[in-house]
Amino acid sequence: GESVGLHLPTLSVQEGDNSIINCAYSNSASDYFIWYKQESGKGPQFIIDIRSNMDKRQGQRVTVLLNKTVKHLSLQIAATQPGDSAVYFCAEGLGGAQKLVFGQGTRLTINP
Amino acid sequence: DSGVTQTPKHLITATGQRVTLRCSPRSGDLSVYWYQQSLDQGLQFLIQYYNGEERAKGNILERFSAQQFPDLHSELNLSSLELGDSALYFCASSARLASGADTQYFGPGTRLTVL
Repeated sequence: GESVGLHLPTLSVQEGDNSIINCAYSNSASDYFIWYKQESGKGPQFIIDIRSNMDKRQGQRVTVLLNKTVKHLSLQIAATQPGDSAVYFCAEGLGGAQKLVFGQGTRLTINP
Repeated sequence: DSGVTQTPKHLITATGQRVTLRCSPRSGDLSVYWYQQSLDQGLQFLIQYYNGEERAKGNILERFSAQQFPDLHSELNLSSLELGDSALYFCASSARLASGADTQYFGPGTRLTVL
C-alpha cells in the first residue's frame, strides 16, 4: 500500500488499551471539526465530527473532545483493535466543511 | 466504500506532460473537492466545485485546472508536469449529516508519478 507521511508523529498502543490522539488547530474562528482515518492505500474515511457549540461528542468506540480555550481537539478510541492502525487526521472548517484545513496527521500503531 | 469513485488508480507520466484525473461524487452530492497529498505536505485543498461552478480555491497552481460537468462528475487537469507534482490526488464530495454540518467523503485517490 501507499505510505503517507513517513515522518508523522507516531502513537503506539497495546491492543485493548484506549488511544488518545491530539490535535492543535490554528483558527480560533473555526466552528466545525472532523476526524478522519486513513489506512494505507486508501482515501481518508470520516470518523466523527463536532461543532464548536459542543465540547464532547461520542460515537461507536470513539469520543471527540473540543477545548476552544486552547484550540485543542482530541480523539479517544476505546479498546483499540488491530484494525484501528492508520493515520488519523483532524480537520477544521469555518461555516461547515466547505473549506477544510487538515492537520499533519498522527500514525497509530497497535502492538499485539 | 465511500461512494466516491476516481479513475485512474495509478498514473505514470513524464515531466512536461498533461494528465486528466476523473472523479464521480456520491449520488446526490453537488459539491466536489480536490486535494493533493504528498509525503511532506500532507493533505492540501486545491479547489471546490458546487453544481458546476467554482466555489472555493486553495493552493492550486496555475498549471492545474478543474471543472465540474452537468452530470456532476469532475476532472482535474494537470499540465506541464514537474517531478514535484508526484502525489496522491483525492476527490471528495460533501453531504449533510444529521448534525447539520456538511462533511466530505473521500474517494480512493489517484497516485500520480512523474518521471
